[in-house]
Amino acid sequence: AQKVTQAQTEISVVEKEDVTLDCVYETRDTTYYLFWYKQPPSGELVFLIRRNSFDEQNEISGRYSWNFQKSTSSFNFTITASQVVDSAVYFCALSGSIYNFNKFYFGSGTKLNVKP
Amino acid sequence: NAGVTQTPKFRVLKTGQSMTLLCAQDMNHEYMYWYRQDPGMGLRLIHYSVGEGTTAKGEVPDGYNVSRLKKQNFLLGLESAAPSQTSVYFCASKTTGNTEAFFGQGTRLTVV
Repeated sequence: AQKVTQAQTEISVVEKEDVTLDCVYETRDTTYYLFWYKQPPSGELVFLIRRNSFDEQNEISGRYSWNFQKSTSSFNFTITASQVVDSAVYFCALSGSIYNFNKFYFGSGTKLNVKP
Repeated sequence: NAGVTQTPKFRVLKTGQSMTLLCAQDMNHEYMYWYRQDPGMGLRLIHYSVGEGTTAKGEVPDGYNVSRLKKQNFLLGLESAAPSQTSVYFCASKTTGNTEAFFGQGTRLTVV
């Protein structure tokens, strides 16, 4: 079974603080992909990153960084020096092997509030 | 560059009424999906399609039907709307392989 857990329902920080959003996943697939999406107050879903199960290197993109650890089945997302524009709901998602028709399984989301 | 377009953006239905949500993509994607988003539950897959003329059930298919008569369009139908179907509906599409999905802007449906 495929499952994604985002235990943090809502997080509030003050601008310029660092914040980490947790994502834990379950899958029996040996090949899988993990994703993060951002949903700002306007409601659309914005793709942030894709990571495959064979690549455990951390990735950094500006103030965003991702830590993928297969040993703990986690794919955490850190925002450094948060800004008010980072306020959104963030979803972690899992996509299985091609035999699973690449269906996406989403976590319940973490709402991030960044206060000025 | 339209991407994925959903029609309508908002709708209010009375219990028992029927309606169809339209999703259109202009990226020649093979795969298309319908999700619903409810508070605290993330996005749950209703139905999906891996190509023109094919459809399959997702996690929460009851009360919905779909059709993919043309590659670029994926229709979601509610035959007899119920208040439990009040939700935000998202359509998504992607190419084959493990690529990201592109989402429409969502349809907010309220059933009273």
